[in-house]
Amino acid sequence: ELKVEQNPLFLSMQEGKNYTIYCNYSTTSDRLYWYRQDPGKSLESLFVLLSNGAVKQEGRLMASLDTKARLSTLHITAAVHDLSATYFCAVDRGTSGSRLTFGEGTQLTVNP
Amino acid sequence: DTEVTQTPKHLVMGMTNKKSLKCEQHMGHRAMYWYKQKAKKPPELMFVYSYEKLSINESVPSRFSPECPNSSLLNLHLHALQPEDSALYLCASSPSDFVRAKNIQYFGAGTRLSVL
Repeated sequence: ELKVEQNPLFLSMQEGKNYTIYCNYSTTSDRLYWYRQDPGKSLESLFVLLSNGAVKQEGRLMASLDTKARLSTLHITAAVHDLSATYFCAVDRGTSGSRLTFGEGTQLTVNP
Repeated sequence: DTEVTQTPKHLVMGMTNKKSLKCEQHMGHRAMYWYKQKAKKPPELMFVYSYEKLSINESVPSRFSPECPNSSLLNLHLHALQPEDSALYLCASSPSDFVRAKNIQYFGAGTRLSVL
């Protein structure tokens, strides 16, 4: 059974600081997604990582994938309040179809 | 347009009621999904429809009955639910259910269901 573990689960940081969220998964996969969810809202796709060594950046967020270590990271640079949300990584465990297993989520709060 | 529309936004039902959730997308996607999300937890996959056929049922109780009348529409019929079924029900769609690159799932806003 695929397990997806994120840490930390809760992250409180000050504006302007940097931090990294980690996503470990237990079985081989080369398709990993990062989503953002604001309270009471739906999930918004942030990044798709499809191969070992993939790195994607959008604004203050950068995601990477190491399939050998079964590890993805989401790095936050110079955090701003608008980044406050819950961030989920999701691993596609499908062999004949898309089946996402989500991590527990990291609840990020950026304080002024 | 990457919009997935779900109705209703909120639903309160008794344990003997029958209700339906509706999900619609007009992106030409051929795979559609139902997820259940409890508070402060990640979404859990319930069903996958691929080309209007049910391809995955994650051992969901029969009181949840999915239906895909056409490629744009997905329903979830609810009957004799339990209070523990109260949750946010999310619909998603993606270009395909098959293994291929960038098969991003786009999520609707969800239906918040309360079972009394």
